[in-house]
Amino acid sequence: DQQVKQNSPSLSVQEGRISILNCDYTNSMFDYFLWYKKYPAEGPTFLISISSIKDKNEDGRFTVFLNKSAKHLSLHIVPSQPGDSAVYFCAAKYPWGKLQFGAGTQVVVTP
Amino acid sequence: DAGVTQSPTHLIKTRGQQVTLRCSPKSGHDTVSWYQQALGQGPQFIFQYYEEEERQRGNFPDRFSGHQFPNYSSELNVNALLLGDSALYLCASSLARFNSPLHFGNGTRLTVT
Repeated sequence: DQQVKQNSPSLSVQEGRISILNCDYTNSMFDYFLWYKKYPAEGPTFLISISSIKDKNEDGRFTVFLNKSAKHLSLHIVPSQPGDSAVYFCAAKYPWGKLQFGAGTQVVVTP
Repeated sequence: DAGVTQSPTHLIKTRGQQVTLRCSPKSGHDTVSWYQQALGQGPQFIFQYYEEEERQRGNFPDRFSGHQFPNYSSELNVNALLLGDSALYLCASSLARFNSPLHFGNGTRLTVT
């Protein structure tokens, strides 16, 4: 049941450059979208979110864009830092609270 | 301010056995959700507890059951373990209010042999 898809399993980016992570979804019922970051041996950490009625939300180096007509969202990290190397999960929330996660994208920030 | 704590961190069980995993939510949180994360996949929703009742359930068999205590802590029980139950089990807590983000613990790594 792949209602949330992250089609890029990995992304390599140079330090200081922009990282762009993409996520597609199929269910129009989702009302909120979130990005989580996960380091090895740790649980996912909440990064940033966006309501389905917005098209952009920014928090420091992190910006999430939502294109509702295309059922697509993206996370921009500018500038990328070595500490950003982690697995990033896109998640979509049903109105009743359940989160549906994508499979994740492994980001590696190189010097 | 303690975050979400889970115990144990690692567990090895034999097929057919039963297991209990424990979770203490972040201070101030009243809702606990459990997720299963298989290798290379995103977390899959098992169920959510609020006010000591199961409020929502994902596509998991009845072998998976849970409980929430008056202090908001929670347990996940899995009976008749299968090899396919080997995974990272994540507990997440939140506030019942709308769109409160989930805060995850570090998980319990369960291996079924």
